[in-house]
Amino acid sequence: EADIYQTPRYLVIGTGKKITLECSQTMGHDKMYWYQQDPGMELHLIHYSYGVNSTEKGDLSSESTVSRIRTEHFPLTLESARPSHTSQYLCASSESGRGIQETQYFGPGTRLLVL
Amino acid sequence: KQEVTQIPAALSVPEGENLVLNCSFTDSAIYNLQWFRQDPGKGLTSLLLIQSSQREQTSGRLNASLDKSSGRSTLYIAASQPGDSATYLCAASRGAGSYQLTFGKGTKLSVIP
Repeated sequence: EADIYQTPRYLVIGTGKKITLECSQTMGHDKMYWYQQDPGMELHLIHYSYGVNSTEKGDLSSESTVSRIRTEHFPLTLESARPSHTSQYLCASSESGRGIQETQYFGPGTRLLVL
Repeated sequence: KQEVTQIPAALSVPEGENLVLNCSFTDSAIYNLQWFRQDPGKGLTSLLLIQSSQREQTSGRLNASLDKSSGRSTLYIAASQPGDSATYLCAASRGAGSYQLTFGKGTKLSVIP
């Protein structure tokens, strides 16, 4: 059973505000990811982490930043939200190691609307 | 750069039919290929993962195949049910040992009672 949580589920906010999207998992997975998905479009990787204190940018350029201070927690921050940031943000995690299939488990997502 | 294409974009079938969803990818040097299900307003649920050394995986009424040489994967759903209605996403890993996935846009499946 995959246990990965995202809060808030929905967020409507004004332009220029700072926001943090929370993601946490209780499975002890070392790898975590943030994807962005616009309606009817494919998911794009924006950030990933190999483990604590390790973060990398994904293929899709994003103005957001992430941190990984604890294994279970991988928050995403937008310092100044803009309407172009309106999208769905999905967090995922996976376990690595010999013989592990590295299936990615996803949270329910956060739908962000910036006015 | 890996590109993943899913055809058709939408599919509507009567309950009980067997169906096949198609996925193609441009770079055959994949580590694994995964099929996910996405319900409206929700995250993704992993259905099947096929390692690059495997040809197929089965789970219940679902069977996924992988042909690396042709850059194709199929998801076969037997005896479809209304509860199978969802968007099905295919995702290919970037390369050996890589866990970064490239997703297709998905096939929206509607199973009519």
